[in-house]
Amino acid sequence: KAGVTQTPRYLIKTRGQQVTLSCSPISGHRSVSWYQQTPGQGLQFLFEYFSETQRNKGNFPGRFSGRQFSNSRSEMNVSTLELGDSALYLCASSKQGSPEKLFFGSGTQLSVL
Amino acid sequence: QKEVEQNSGPLSVPEGAIASLNCTYSDRGSQSFFWYRQYSGKSPELIMSIYSNGDQEDGRFTAQLNKASQYVSLLIRDSQPSDSATYLCAVNPYSSASKIIFGSGTRLSIRP
Repeated sequence: KAGVTQTPRYLIKTRGQQVTLSCSPISGHRSVSWYQQTPGQGLQFLFEYFSETQRNKGNFPGRFSGRQFSNSRSEMNVSTLELGDSALYLCASSKQGSPEKLFFGSGTQLSVL
Repeated sequence: QKEVEQNSGPLSVPEGAIASLNCTYSDRGSQSFFWYRQYSGKSPELIMSIYSNGDQEDGRFTAQLNKASQYVSLLIRDSQPSDSATYLCAVNPYSSASKIIFGSGTRLSIRP
């Protein structure tokens, strides 16, 4: 069974631009969560989607948004990029009945210049 | 105060010894607790889950939970060099859905 797939693997953007990251969960998993990982702050929860609905949201500004499609694939968008948005963005999926057992993708490393 | 706190380390343990990693959490209503392992340059992977007070054992790993003290620990017996990684304590404050809150991790180094 294929794991969680995130694209692209690396991304370089400049301040003010916007970016869209993609995540394909494990087949059969309907919940997708997004996390930001930085050396200083560790893993911080962004949001969780289940059946195309945002079920939980972390403490991030409105520039961070996401969505989930009917096939459970998810996208995350960051608008008006700031230098501090440079981070590893990790997507994780989980199956119904075990929403807490997260399976992580390899992440998208975003650098904002 | 951070919701989940861990000592960042590094924690250096000789090969074959017991490594003990600790974590405290602030939300007394938290329902479930996890340990994830993250190798350098890789994504986290779940290694242990624990839901009730006491010990949960899986091979060389034992997770311990004390809800009264809001304390979770991970013991690794017979530590191997391959255990060298960052260990992330994680807590779900909800009974359903997924909003896993992670600690900043403890870096463990097993010296031969």
